[in-house]
Amino acid sequence: KDQVFQPSTVASSEGAVVEIFCNHSVSNAYNFFWYLHFPGCAPRLLVKGSKPSQQGRYNMTYERFSSSLLILQVREADAAVYYCACHTGGFKTIFGAGTRLFVKA
Amino acid sequence: GAGVSQSPRYKVAKRGQDVALRCDPISGHVSLFWYQQALGQGPEFLTYFQNEAQLDKSGLPSDRFFAERPEGSVSTLKIQRTQQEDSAVYLCASSPYRIVQANTGELFFGEGSRLTVL
Repeated sequence: KDQVFQPSTVASSEGAVVEIFCNHSVSNAYNFFWYLHFPGCAPRLLVKGSKPSQQGRYNMTYERFSSSLLILQVREADAAVYYCACHTGGFKTIFGAGTRLFVKA
Repeated sequence: GAGVSQSPRYKVAKRGQDVALRCDPISGHVSLFWYQQALGQGPEFLTYFQNEAQLDKSGLPSDRFFAERPEGSVSTLKIQRTQQEDSAVYLCASSPYRIVQANTGELFFGEGSRLTVL
């Protein structure tokens, strides 16, 4: 079955670099997508691609079946749920269950 | 509007009632998706429209679920004879691309409609 796996929670201290790891078993997926979700709000795309990339404080590493989201200089306001997703090239984006980030001041 | 708009934001239904959830995508977006998100889970694909054509409905969990997009813009997800297991957040997303061609995959989400079935 096509699945995306990521840890359920990650904790960090303010100012640190936090890494959220993701891997998948989706046979035709080549792109990773990382979404940020504050509950009750619309999920929004942070970074995507089939190679390492960076958008502001967000870095994405890339391997064929795994990716990590690195958040630089993490802040309390970054506490949210982060979804890793893979796109199969067709109609479906397959999401992981989400990683809740806790940030200590 | 500037973003994807969904209504109602919250819906409480008694078991057996029919519900209708509305999605107003970003103007001009060709592709529209419905996702179901159960508590503590990630969004799960329900169905996909390219303009008014429903090209994939493989994720709809039963024949009680029906979606339409008759004029290629606003979409409605209808759930008949609701059951407790239908309780979830229903997310709508749109994209300016025909997904198969562009394969960029980025989805623009609405805030979701939270359905609670008692």
